Amino acid sequence: EVQLVESGGGLVKPGGSLRLSCAASGFTFNTAWMSWVRQAPGKGLEWVGRIKSNTDGGTTEYGAPVKGRFTISRDDSKNTLYLQMNSLKTEDTAVFYCTTINWGRFDNWGQGTLVTVSS
Amino acid sequence: QSALTQPASVSGSPGQSITISCTGTSSDVGAYNYVSWYQQHPGKVPKLMIYDVSNRPSGVSNRFSGSKSGNTASLTISGLQAEDEADYYCSSYTSSSSYVFGTGTKATVL
Repeated sequence: EVQLVESGGGLVKPGGSLRLSCAASGFTFNTAWMSWVRQAPGKGLEWVGRIKSNTDGGTTEYGAPVKGRFTISRDDSKNTLYLQMNSLKTEDTAVFYCTTINWGRFDNWGQGTLVTVSS
Repeated sequence: QSALTQPASVSGSPGQSITISCTGTSSDVGAYNYVSWYQQHPGKVPKLMIYDVSNRPSGVSNRFSGSKSGNTASLTISGLQAEDEADYYCSSYTSSSSYVFGTGTKATVL
């Protein structure tokens, strides 16, 4: 059974940093492409970014609102995905979901972790 | 990349069919068959319902179907049931090697 467990969320001040983790199990993590998707309170889904498997180059892509501030990385030895978030803004307040991405679809989702950016 | 456009709400009576549209551009929905649909109940995690325009993952009811014409994709729910009341989001791969979600539609069973 695929399991994705996010952690690292919490309260942070504007301008601060936070690193989210996503522990993966139940599938071959080192060949999986992974993504982060977020959802602000009461709002819709927003794609944050994606990282390819290292065998496919390990490259990353980001959505415009987070480009230059957020960095996605992975540690295949630990089956863990990361999201480093810098220069956080109040509008980054959201539940952040870790997902597997299979061609054009987000097929497995974690339970999410809440990030609140507030002074 | 602007969000794909969906109606804010759709409704139908039990047993009826409803269709949710998802309008994009020639750089996303119109360019690729990588359109997917997600169901989200309040306080729950989104669930993949349709992928690659019209394919259903294992375990998803065949009451859910998808299609695409030009820059607009559609999700149809037939034989509407109370448990289908939820928010629905479409998503597409884009020519910028990114992904974009729709604005979301609240489906109500009357």
